[in-house]
Amino acid sequence: EIVMTQSPATLSVSPGERATLSCRASQSVSSSLAWYQQKPGQAPRLLVYGASTRATGIPARFSGSGSGTEFTLTISSLQSEDFAVFYCHQYNNWPRTFGQGTKVEIK
Amino acid sequence: EVQVVESGGGLVKPGGSLRLSCAASGFTFIGYSMNWVRQAPGKGLEWVSYISSSSSSISYADSVKGRFTISRDDANNSLYLQMSGLRAEDTAVYYCVRDIDYWGQGTLVTVSS
Repeated sequence: EIVMTQSPATLSVSPGERATLSCRASQSVSSSLAWYQQKPGQAPRLLVYGASTRATGIPARFSGSGSGTEFTLTISSLQSEDFAVFYCHQYNNWPRTFGQGTKVEIK
Repeated sequence: EVQVVESGGGLVKPGGSLRLSCAASGFTFIGYSMNWVRQAPGKGLEWVSYISSSSSSISYADSVKGRFTISRDDANNSLYLQMSGLRAEDTAVYYCVRDIDYWGQGTLVTVSS
C-alpha cells in the first residue's frame, strides 16, 4: 500500500498570505495525484487532478505541482473561504490512498 | 448539473447488514467509473471500493474485502454498496464519488449495539 504523508498537519496563515502544503508518496504515483478541500460538514471538493490540472471552476490562486513522490499545493493568496482541511489522494495504485490531511487555519 | 445522492445509511447492530445506494444524474453514468469513500467521525478519508464503467474491474480496501460488495445498475444510473458483517469501525459517512471528481453529500452509517 502506498502511504501518503502530508505536512504540516496544521498551517496557520493570515488572509492574503501564501500557503504551501506538501504531500509525499512512499513510492512513485507518477502524476496520478489529486488535491481536495473539505470544509466542516461538507463533502470534499476536487481542486487539482493529474498533480497540476485545476478542476472546473477552481480559482487560479490554487496550483498544484510535482510528480513521482513529491507534490505541492500552493494557495497564492488565502481568502477567508479557503480555510479548511486539504487532502492529497493517489489514484495510480491499488488500494487508492489518501493523506491524513492538512488543516489550514486563520492565524 | 452533475449530482450523486447517497441513501440507505442508518443505525445497525454489529454483525448486521446494510445496503447503500447512490443515484446519479446530470452525466452519462455508463461512461464513468465510480467509487465509495468513507470518513469516520472526526477522521480522514478512506477509500473503500471501486467499480469500472463496464463493471469489468472491481477493487476493495483490505478492511472491507469479503464483507462489502459494490455493484452498479447502468439502466437506472445507480451505484450500490452491500455491506455485511458490519463492525463498529465501519461507522462513518459514506460518500459516492464519480471517478475522482464529483462527491455526494454522504450517508451516515452507525454500527452500534
